[in-house]
Amino acid sequence: SAVISQKPSRDICQRGTSLTIQCQVDSQVTMMFWYRQQPGQSLTLIATANQGSEATYESGFVIDKFPISRPNLTFSTLTVSNMSPEDSSIYLCSVDREGYGYTFGSGTRLTVV
Amino acid sequence: AQSVTQLDSQVPVFEEAPVELRCNYSSSVSVYLFWYVQYPNQGLQLLLKYLSGSTLVKGINGFEAEFNKSQTSFHLRKPSVHISDTAEYFCAVSGVEDDKIIFGKGTRLHILP
Repeated sequence: SAVISQKPSRDICQRGTSLTIQCQVDSQVTMMFWYRQQPGQSLTLIATANQGSEATYESGFVIDKFPISRPNLTFSTLTVSNMSPEDSSIYLCSVDREGYGYTFGSGTRLTVV
Repeated sequence: AQSVTQLDSQVPVFEEAPVELRCNYSSSVSVYLFWYVQYPNQGLQLLLKYLSGSTLVKGINGFEAEFNKSQTSFHLRKPSVHISDTAEYFCAVSGVEDDKIIFGKGTRLHILP
């Protein structure tokens, strides 16, 4: 299965600031997915990132709040903008390798104070 | 669209006893099904997946699941649990033609000594 490196692993940020999370995959993949896991909750898909096109956002998530970059087939970033305490969550990136299922990064634990 | 229901938010079970974690799904198309495990303060790890073929799927750590199309279920089982199985377990579904997966709310497995 794919190896995904995600960083930072955790951060504590001031409200009103932004944090960019990086996701690096060890092989080329068409799509990368960004999820949010709020405390004690399940995973919710934020957006799907394709290389060379704009990300596709799920209902309730907008590009101004969660801009995504996908400059090549092995890398993506998610920015959490103008943060508030409600943005405190674990953010995970994921890829789908055919035949292997979806693989997840270890996550970024974000606390907004 | 697909949806997943995990019927139990928490399941306590004694060590070395068998366990079943229940998962039902809803979909108008053919599906792939997954079980993921999340150990405390860690990312998600794929336990097993059903893509096609045999309806009984064996995964890592002694877990198995059975796809039951008529019951729209994909229950996870282990004949004898260990304290190290303490974790959150997520059932997930994706449409065969879809590019994203939908997660259930998770079941927290408590192993009692």
